[in-house]
Amino acid sequence: AQSVTQPDIHITVSEGASLELRCNYSYGATPYLFWYVQSPGQGLQLLLKYFSGDTLVQGIKGFEAEFKRSQSSFNLRKPSVHWSDAAEYFCAVGARSNYQLIWGAGTKLIIKP
Amino acid sequence: DAGVIQSPRHEVTEMGQEVTLRCKPISGHDYLFWYRQTMMRGLELLIYFNNNVPIDDSGMPEDRFSAKMPNASFSTLKIQPSEPRDSAVYFCASSLQYYEQYFGPGTRLTVT
Repeated sequence: AQSVTQPDIHITVSEGASLELRCNYSYGATPYLFWYVQSPGQGLQLLLKYFSGDTLVQGIKGFEAEFKRSQSSFNLRKPSVHWSDAAEYFCAVGARSNYQLIWGAGTKLIIKP
Repeated sequence: DAGVIQSPRHEVTEMGQEVTLRCKPISGHDYLFWYRQTMMRGLELLIYFNNNVPIDDSGMPEDRFSAKMPNASFSTLKIQPSEPRDSAVYFCASSLQYYEQYFGPGTRLTVT
């Protein structure tokens, strides 16, 4: 069965430090991959997506993610976090045979001043 | 573009009352999705439409829930009768084909 795992429920990072949020998926073929961010009281905003091609994708707000087929992973990174990055981050996988997304449980990012 | 518009943003109602949530997708998008988000269950897909036609409603929790999309620019999610366990944030999202879903701000529903 298709699934998405975000192993970290919470992550605390100091402002200015680097960040990596993990996402692993289970799917029989290469899926479409997404990262969304949800600020408190807000809807989900698309950060970046991978459909095909270059496995390192750049997104908004200085985020990037790397698709590693051998590890079934799509980890999100940022070299230096800002207090405004405090939010919940969701990884999602799209099957190429239909238009539904399978969502991870989310990782809440806490920024220490 | 104004993005996905949802109304109301907050709804407080008493158990047994009918609740109607509204969504206006982004113009030109051909897919519309209704989600429910709770602390316990996370983000759940309730139903989605393609070109105004419901494609998969297997996520609708009970017959008390119904959704319609009478035209390309409007959709409703109705709960009748509402129960306290329906309290959640309900999101509408729309997309143009390939999965890049754009979310509305959500409706926070509280059923007392």
